Amino acid sequence: DTAVSQTPKYLVTQMGNDKSIKCEQNLGHDTMYWYKQDSKKFLKIMFSYNNKELIINETVPNRFSPKSPDKAHLNLHINSLELGDSAVYFCASSHPGGMNTGELFFGEGSRLTVL
Amino acid sequence: GENVEQHPSTLSVQEGDSAVIKCTYSDSASNYFPWYKQELGKRPQLIIDIRSNVGEKKDQRIAVTLNKTAKHFSLHITETQPEDSAVYFCAASRLMIGNEKLTFGTGTRLTIIP
Repeated sequence: DTAVSQTPKYLVTQMGNDKSIKCEQNLGHDTMYWYKQDSKKFLKIMFSYNNKELIINETVPNRFSPKSPDKAHLNLHINSLELGDSAVYFCASSHPGGMNTGELFFGEGSRLTVL
Repeated sequence: GENVEQHPSTLSVQEGDSAVIKCTYSDSASNYFPWYKQELGKRPQLIIDIRSNVGEKKDQRIAVTLNKTAKHFSLHITETQPEDSAVYFCAASRLMIGNEKLTFGTGTRLTIIP
């Protein structure tokens, strides 16, 4: 029943490691996103994909690499993790353009802690 | 790009009183203004939105107003209840096919005092 699901929910790792977060949506949406929420609760967009094509790529270090194998999945891989990468990462999706309501459907978030 | 400012950052109101959160945006082409509520440890969820062709929208105890000329919009919650305690985010975007880049405000932590 879960509309947008992310795994893992919690991730604790050492600096310098590489980690991935997976996201899947079963809403039939064409557009998916990654947002980062830092300790001050600021929500910032990182990437957006529309039907597997990269649409938005904000000023994010190239250690972050999104991958969309199909329009229902958007994964995030992070290389050489740094302390400042500690945050909650939210995956989200939205309706296709023709029926666009603009609403973002968020996953539960993945809390990444870098030690 | 779009810049959204939100005030206040924290707000405490007595249960039953009203709460008002204000946002301003910079991009005059923005045409979609949603509000999201994020309870502690949970995901943000849409509670109400407004488009630029409308000045006001109401849904039970929640209302949003938009002033396009001044580029500001506000969230009004009346008869506040303890379950209204959360962080509220305003956002703005140009609604486009396949590219809804929402820019969020910095959030308002609302606490309802019983």
